[in-house]
Amino acid sequence: QVVLTQSPSASASLGASVKLTCTLSSGYSNYAIAWHQQQPEKGPRYLMKVNSDGSHTKGDGIPDRLSGSSSGTERYLTISNLQSEDEADYYCQTWGTGYWVFGGGTKVTVL
Amino acid sequence: QVHLVESGGGVVQPGRSLRLSCAASGFTFNNYAMHWVRQAPGKGLEWVTTISYDGSNKYYADSVKGRLSIARDRSKNTLYLEMNSLRAEDTAVYYCARDSGRDSGYFDYWGQGTLVTVSS
Repeated sequence: QVVLTQSPSASASLGASVKLTCTLSSGYSNYAIAWHQQQPEKGPRYLMKVNSDGSHTKGDGIPDRLSGSSSGTERYLTISNLQSEDEADYYCQTWGTGYWVFGGGTKVTVL
Repeated sequence: QVHLVESGGGVVQPGRSLRLSCAASGFTFNNYAMHWVRQAPGKGLEWVTTISYDGSNKYYADSVKGRLSIARDRSKNTLYLEMNSLRAEDTAVYYCARDSGRDSGYFDYWGQGTLVTVSS
């Protein structure tokens, strides 16, 4: 079963960019993942699906300054022009036949 | 627009039962698989269980097999989670989520969650 690994934390200044990484376990380089955002005291929100070729499908109302990409077993979420509302936990998620998996999450702090 | 509203959470003693509901609106409920995901206090997201669009397939995390049961009522556009033999480690906010497809995919819409506290 696939395992997803995320760094626990990341930070960047207001208006800067941050790139989050989700690493799939070995042998799963063809898997797509989804990124979800969870702001403090709120439920999660779907951001986008990122395929192994780097193409991505965004959720409703997700701004252009959020983008996804891929390289090998790594899937990325890049947030440009960081805003205060981007301070949140970000989870990657994938799935197989009969199971669904989350990464441990990355807490993004806007300095 | 898609709307998912959970209800039924509360405080329950260990070993007792509880049923959660998730009312769905804004989409054709019968065309999508549905999930329950939970989040223990201060922890990350944990997938719990999934039911396919027609209810024919159900999947469970090992941690809840035999104790939690998922169901759906197509006439009421409602998803359920029957929770039996509850343990302290089941304490969490429970979210329902819509799948992107009929049987297996990513979560594309989430509810706001309902808190279950298992405590004597």
